Amino acid sequence: EPEVTQTPSHQVTQMGQEVILRCVPISNHLYFYWYRQILGQKVEFLVSFYNNEISEKSEIFDDQFSVERPDGSNFTLKIRSTKLEDSAMYFCASSEAWEANEKLFFGSGTQLSVL
Amino acid sequence: SQKIEQNSEALNIQEGKTATLTCNYTNYSPAYLQWYRQDPGRGPVFLLLIRENEKEKRKERLKVTFDTTLKQSLFHITASQPADSATYLCAVWDSGYALNFGKGTSLLVTP
Repeated sequence: EPEVTQTPSHQVTQMGQEVILRCVPISNHLYFYWYRQILGQKVEFLVSFYNNEISEKSEIFDDQFSVERPDGSNFTLKIRSTKLEDSAMYFCASSEAWEANEKLFFGSGTQLSVL
Repeated sequence: SQKIEQNSEALNIQEGKTATLTCNYTNYSPAYLQWYRQDPGRGPVFLLLIRENEKEKRKERLKVTFDTTLKQSLFHITASQPADSATYLCAVWDSGYALNFGKGTSLLVTP
């Protein structure tokens, strides 16, 4: 079965450093998403992306965050200057379309630790 | 935006019993409500979706109900097994392009 793949599975960085989290969505999917989950908390929406544009972003997704689809297969999340509170599991997801009954397919996540 | 509430207390049940998990939403009634399973350190996995005019939806040992009057969905696992132990998340599409999740309820099925 097709799956969303994320790399790396773990990323350790120093506060203030830039990190790029990478994702390969399912090949025929058109909508892409990033979510994060702080330990013990809910899965929180960050951003949705379609046709090389951000469709929607949450309050969490401030100027320190950016997303990009640099080629036909990858989808990346960049955090420009990491803070301690950015430590979380980051999940990429994709969907075929956007409709009211659309389901998301998630990757296994990247555990980001900011020291 | 939609607020989703799930019982944050873990549910412990014995193998073979039926587990029932609750999801309440606070604002408008969504056209669809989804349930996902999340294992530790893994991404959510879609399980079932129910439409607002469906009272009940079944898939193997899983059953979901949707009561728009109570603003509530119930998720049932019958004949539960230890392998069903996981966190179960309720989700609805918010007004835009964001699928909004509840915090989830942790289920532990003991032999």
